[in-house]
Amino acid sequence: EAGVAQSPRYKIIEKRQSVAFWCNPISGHATLYWYQQILGQGPKLLIQFQNNGVVDDSQLPKDRFSAERLKGVDSTLKIQPAKLEDSAVYLCASSLDFPRETQYFGPGTRLLVL
Amino acid sequence: QQQVKQSPQSLIVQKGGIPIINCAYENTAFDYFPWYQQFPGKGPALLIAIRPDVSEKKEGRFTISFNKSAKQFSLHIMDSQPGDSATYFCAASTLGAQKLVFGQGTRLTINP
Repeated sequence: EAGVAQSPRYKIIEKRQSVAFWCNPISGHATLYWYQQILGQGPKLLIQFQNNGVVDDSQLPKDRFSAERLKGVDSTLKIQPAKLEDSAVYLCASSLDFPRETQYFGPGTRLLVL
Repeated sequence: QQQVKQSPQSLIVQKGGIPIINCAYENTAFDYFPWYQQFPGKGPALLIAIRPDVSEKKEGRFTISFNKSAKQFSLHIMDSQPGDSATYFCAASTLGAQKLVFGQGTRLTINP
């Protein structure tokens, strides 16, 4: 079974530029998550999708971050404009469904904002 | 209330030793406590999880101990091996919210 795919793996941008990350979850997984992991910290949930719909985006900085999940499969996370403090690893995870299904994480995209 | 506090930040143990990582929480609504293992350049992977209706759960060399009254839980790794060297995260969630709240992580090094 293929795992969660993410691209790109690394991205370096200047502050105030925009950037987008892509995630392809495990086939058949209804729930998709985006996490931000700052160096030395645990992952923090940014947004959770159940199929096409948003379940939780309470910790998403909506003035600069946006996310969508097309047709309930792939998802993109965008930052516009980026700030220095956005430097982090962005992890995508997916799970089969509610409740309490194991979350499977992708390898992440490491973002450096200069 | 939503925090999970994890300690220590880093831990070095000799091969065969038993590293212990501790976590504490405040939110009594938490009812699911997983541990994740993360290797450099990889995403976290579920290692073992426990619910508050049991005090201990064992899977292979990994054991979770859970103390509901103290609102604490811990991970023990028996007969630790150099391949166990990784960062370990505890987490917690409620059935309703589904959102995992992670601890700060413990970087574990097992020396040969």
